[in-house]
Amino acid sequence: GENVEQHPSTLSVQEGDSAVIKCTYSDSASNYFPWYKQELGKGPQLIIDIRSNVGEKKDQRIAVTLNKTAKHFSLHITETQPEDSAVYFCAASKGSGGSNYKLTFGKGTLLTVNP
Amino acid sequence: EAGVAQSPRYKIIEKRQSVAFWCNPISGHATLYWYQQILGQGPKLLIQFQNNGVVDDSQLPKDRFSAERLKGVDSTLKIQPAKLEDSAVYLCASSRLDREQYFGPGTRLTVT
Repeated sequence: GENVEQHPSTLSVQEGDSAVIKCTYSDSASNYFPWYKQELGKGPQLIIDIRSNVGEKKDQRIAVTLNKTAKHFSLHITETQPEDSAVYFCAASKGSGGSNYKLTFGKGTLLTVNP
Repeated sequence: EAGVAQSPRYKIIEKRQSVAFWCNPISGHATLYWYQQILGQGPKLLIQFQNNGVVDDSQLPKDRFSAERLKGVDSTLKIQPAKLEDSAVYLCASSRLDREQYFGPGTRLTVT
């Protein structure tokens, strides 16, 4: 089955700096890669996603890049703010049909943005 | 639109007792998922429903866990009997057929 590795496990940045979180996946058939933000005591919140027919996607301060050849994808947050502090999860799925919708998650990255 | 609703939010039980969790998905979402999230880890899929049929339950410990989706809408997840290692957050998510999954707030289960 799919295996998703996520690095780093913790990341501390100063407010205004950029943060980058990287993930690798094992199943070359995976074609849908969402990123979730989870705050304490809450469920994961979808913040951005990318499908394999696109190499990069951007939404304001957040961007995701995908390298299908190398089987890795990354989350980039620019101009970080204290409210960006949370645990971030990457995930992968085959994204089409029945059980292929299943998401396999990485272990998460605890991002701390220091004021 | 309203999000995924789950109840209860917290539950403490003793080992060997039973417990049930309830989920109401976003209106119109055909697919419903139950995930288990152990502290410090990412969510792990337990079971996936499409309408009221099971699509994937390969990681559900069927000797103690069961789930059903009534009339293709609400769903319940039951554990009987609970073990210490079942302590986790149980997350429900829903999606349209091939679209993004949206998660509820979860139920934090503590087994003592």
